Amino acid sequence: DIQMTQSPSSLSASVGDRVTITCRASQGISNYLAWYQQKPGKVPKLLIYAASTLQSGVPSRFSGSGSGTDFTLTISSLQPEDVATYYCQKYNSALWTFGQGTKVEIK
Amino acid sequence: QLQLQESGPGLVKPSETLSLTCTVSGGSISSSSYYWGWIRQPPGKGLEWIGSIYYSGSTYYNPSLKSRVTISVDTSKNQFSLKLSSVTAADTAVYYCASFENYYYYMDVWGKGTTVTVSS
Repeated sequence: DIQMTQSPSSLSASVGDRVTITCRASQGISNYLAWYQQKPGKVPKLLIYAASTLQSGVPSRFSGSGSGTDFTLTISSLQPEDVATYYCQKYNSALWTFGQGTKVEIK
Repeated sequence: QLQLQESGPGLVKPSETLSLTCTVSGGSISSSSYYWGWIRQPPGKGLEWIGSIYYSGSTYYNPSLKSRVTISVDTSKNQFSLKLSSVTAADTAVYYCASFENYYYYMDVWGKGTTVTVSS
């Protein structure tokens, strides 16, 4: 099975900072990659699908890029409401897998 | 607008079978646009995909859980269900049902989640 490695596991940044989270697949998965945001005690929320397509209603400071094995979620200007854990999720051959998660905090 | 709601016991005894149902509203479970599936999250841990089903009945399971999982669909009730057998404390988690979009395979609509505790 294709494994997903998400990094870092946590980060602390200042309001207004640019934040980057990466996911690496052990084999190519084309662009079958999504990103989710989960705030404490809440249901995960879809941010980006097809590696780079912003879900309707998601602020434009969120963006995704990548294809094949390396993918990135970027928050262009971190806001206090972005404190959450972020997960990548891949699909291949009828198997779905999440990354380990990245906890984002405000410095 | 599609909505999903989990239901089922919040407490299950070790070695027994966990059973949950997800009721879909605002859309048809027979839609070819979606798979339907289950995800869980143990306390303080990350998300784990359990399995998925297509309205035709085709099922796909996480290899690590495959021997214990059964997912089924009832199109007449617009519901799909999860059964996880031989549970242990490690199966204690919040269980979510979700719709899985059928082109890029992402989870676009989630239920609110239900907490299942495995304890005697």
